[in-house]
Amino acid sequence: DAGVTQSPTHLIKTRGQQVTLRCSPKSGHDTVSWYQQALGQGPQFIFQYYEEEERQRGNFPDRFSGHQFPNYSSELNVNALLLGDSALYLCASSVGLAGGGDTQYFGPGTRLTVL
Amino acid sequence: GESVGLHLPTLSVQEGDNSIINCAYSNSASDYFIWYKQESGKGPQFIIDIRSNMDKRQGQRVTVLLNKTVKHLSLQIAATQPGDSAVYFCAENGAQDSSASKIIFGSGTRLSIRP
Repeated sequence: DAGVTQSPTHLIKTRGQQVTLRCSPKSGHDTVSWYQQALGQGPQFIFQYYEEEERQRGNFPDRFSGHQFPNYSSELNVNALLLGDSALYLCASSVGLAGGGDTQYFGPGTRLTVL
Repeated sequence: GESVGLHLPTLSVQEGDNSIINCAYSNSASDYFIWYKQESGKGPQFIIDIRSNMDKRQGQRVTVLLNKTVKHLSLQIAATQPGDSAVYFCAENGAQDSSASKIIFGSGTRLSIRP
């Protein structure tokens, strides 16, 4: 049973470019949340997708957008990249919206470097 | 507002001793708290959670204490082992309901084990 998988593992972009990160949830999970983790910091909630809709959003600009597909996988898109967007991007999956922390599983993340 | 923070950024403990990691939160309305462990190159891993109607909860070798009066949370790890070396995050639920649908992370404490 595969856990949460994310691709790519690492990515290097330059300022102004656009990037798409991908996440496949754990088998049986239908909800995907995205987090940004800067070096030495705790993860910050970006947004959550359930039933192909954005359900909750953190304090991130519109440059950050997402999508969830019918198979529950998800993409995170970031436009007009800034140096400050360099971070580890984490995907977490769960079932529905009402579960506790023990029902949410994190992937290993995608390390994005913006030059 | 929503804010979770930690007293110490690093903690060094002798193998076999007990570890205590502390955390302060500012939102008195917070009703659900989670502790995560993050090893190098991996996403956060759920350790234990506690709801605001409890003062203490025990798991396998771990205990979480919640003091709502002073808005303080602690994680106790008994008989610390080398495998406990990681960054530990306290987190709170930032959504309206008591679920893990929007998690607010603190900045983390790095636990290192002395042989």
